[in-house]
Amino acid sequence: KAGVTQTPRYLIKTRGQQVTLSCSPISGHRSVSWYQQTPGQGLQFLFEYFSETQRNKGNFPGRFSGRQFSNSRSEMNVSTLELGDSALYLCASSPQGQDTEAFFGQGTRLTVV
Amino acid sequence: AQSVTQLGSHVSVSEGALVLLRCNYSSSVPPYLFWYVQYPNQGLQLLLKYTSAATLVKGINGFEAEFKKSETSFHLTKPSAHMSDAAEYFCAVISYSSASKIIFGSGTRLSIRP
Repeated sequence: KAGVTQTPRYLIKTRGQQVTLSCSPISGHRSVSWYQQTPGQGLQFLFEYFSETQRNKGNFPGRFSGRQFSNSRSEMNVSTLELGDSALYLCASSPQGQDTEAFFGQGTRLTVV
Repeated sequence: AQSVTQLGSHVSVSEGALVLLRCNYSSSVPPYLFWYVQYPNQGLQLLLKYTSAATLVKGINGFEAEFKKSETSFHLTKPSAHMSDAAEYFCAVISYSSASKIIFGSGTRLSIRP
């Protein structure tokens, strides 16, 4: 069974640009969550999607948005990039939700210059 | 609200020595607890999980953790450290009262001395 796939693995963007990250969950998993990981703030929850609906949202500005498609694949978009958005963005999938167990992708390393 | 606290941001042990990584939780309801491991430039991998079935939980790579309600602890141990165990370890709890379903600790970086 294939794991969670995140693309691209690495990105370099300029301040003010926007970026879209992609996550393909494990087959059959309907819940996809996104996390931001930085040395200073650790792992912070961005949002969770379940069956194409945003079910939970963390405390991030509106520049961070996401969506989920009918095949459960998810995308995360960050607009008007800031230097502080440089981070490892992790996607996690689970069958029904994070109440049980989440399987993580390898992450996308975003660097904003 | 549920939370976890990991004591020690960095732990260093010799190869073959006991590994002990500490995690204390706060929860008003029986918690679901997890330990995840993260190798450099990788995502998180589940080591083990506690879901109230048994207090001593065995995970992958020889790790285990014991749930102690009286101490609100869920420490991770391994009898004999291996060089390949060098990584960052995160304790986590499921939150039912905040938008963030999984609450992660701040992480403990484990180094192994030859």
